[in-house]
Amino acid sequence: AQSVTQPDIHITVSEGASLELRCNYSYGATPYLFWYVQSPGQGLQLLLKYFSGDTLVQGIKGFEAEFKRSQSSFNLRKPSVHWSDAAEYFCAVGHYSGGYQKVTFGTGTKLQVIP
Amino acid sequence: NAGVMQNPRHLVRRRGQEARLRCSPMKGHSHVYWYRQLPEEGLKFMVYLQKENIIDESGMPKERFSAEFPKEGPSILRIQQVVRGDSAAYFCASSPSGGERTGELFFGEGSRLTVL
Repeated sequence: AQSVTQPDIHITVSEGASLELRCNYSYGATPYLFWYVQSPGQGLQLLLKYFSGDTLVQGIKGFEAEFKRSQSSFNLRKPSVHWSDAAEYFCAVGHYSGGYQKVTFGTGTKLQVIP
Repeated sequence: NAGVMQNPRHLVRRRGQEARLRCSPMKGHSHVYWYRQLPEEGLKFMVYLQKENIIDESGMPKERFSAEFPKEGPSILRIQQVVRGDSAAYFCASSPSGGERTGELFFGEGSRLTVL
């Protein structure tokens, strides 16, 4: 079975500071990895995804993530956060089986941005 | 080009009533997933459907919950005899039809159920 761990429930950063959100996954083969963002009262929006190839992936809104197989990690980073980045971030792992994507989400990290 | 549409966005029910949540996938998508998000928790998979077929319902509670995706019309998640513990946000997601092995899930904005 696949699983995702996001060890940080809440993170507070100052506007303009760098950000790293941690994600560790468990899956036997090479997984598909995703980061989604959820603003309050809204649905989930895909920030970026990794399927194969370059282990450093670029996403929308200036986010990037690095797949490290040896550490089973897929941490999300941004060099300089903006107040509008305050939201909840979900890491997810998926695999394709039986004709569809099976996606498992972590419990999320809530990001607070202070002036 | 409409995204995944869910309604109602907010639903209030009293204990024992029924809740029906509807989801229209993105145009051209025939795979629908339902997830439940409890307060302070992540999204938990409930069920995956294709048109007229339930493919994987491993995350559905054994009682009171059912889902369908008819040939015509939206997918419906039905909760009978709701209890306070059913209060949650229910998200629908869709993905393209077969052959898209690496596609993302496209989420709706959710239906927030409150049981009084």
